[in-house]
Amino acid sequence: GAGVSQSPSNKVTEKGKDVELRCDPISGHTALYWYRQSLGQGLEFLIYFQGNSAPDKSGLPSDRFSAERTGGSVSTLTIQRTQQEDSAVYLCASSPVLNYGYTFGSGTRLTVV
Amino acid sequence: GESVGLHLPTLSVQEGDNSIINCAYSNSASDYFIWYKQESGKGPQFIIDIRSNMDKRQGQRVTVLLNKTVKHLSLQIAATQPGDSAVYFCAEIDQTGANNLFFGTGTRLTVIP
Repeated sequence: GAGVSQSPSNKVTEKGKDVELRCDPISGHTALYWYRQSLGQGLEFLIYFQGNSAPDKSGLPSDRFSAERTGGSVSTLTIQRTQQEDSAVYLCASSPVLNYGYTFGSGTRLTVV
Repeated sequence: GESVGLHLPTLSVQEGDNSIINCAYSNSASDYFIWYKQESGKGPQFIIDIRSNMDKRQGQRVTVLLNKTVKHLSLQIAATQPGDSAVYFCAEIDQTGANNLFFGTGTRLTVIP
């Protein structure tokens, strides 16, 4: 596609439930990143994937968070046993090379009630 | 650790005036800086970037200035228009180090018609 696509655009879930967020990067982009943006805050790095290298998971806030990228394309971010503090906008970005030329998606707004 | 901050959380300017948005960073090893614009409900959009071997870069109506001595970055918008109203983030990266973009909290620019 022409841009980075994220789905769903909005997700409301009950505390304790698991959620999956999806990111379709720009075709051919080797790097993919997940960020979290809390209300009125900047972007918090979560994880990135670069080609076939092991992902950099250094930003994941707890072991309830995990992500995978299948076939070097689509990525899913999974949050298990969601908590209210997980409520945020989750942004995905991709780039043709690592750390240059980021394009962001519009994000998934997650609300945990 | 790295931190990227902004001097002012909000900025209001009259349409047609010039805007200056400031950003301070703390990691002297950062070698690449990017300004993003984020409109409501959308992901961050690239505006302009600059590498640490430069102190100024100009785009269309925008100029980024980098002062490595005091670790300061600014974004100048000429002849500000209502469509420029958004939150502006600066981001830094040490491309030889941690390899993650670090974002500041952002400045909300409001253009008064």
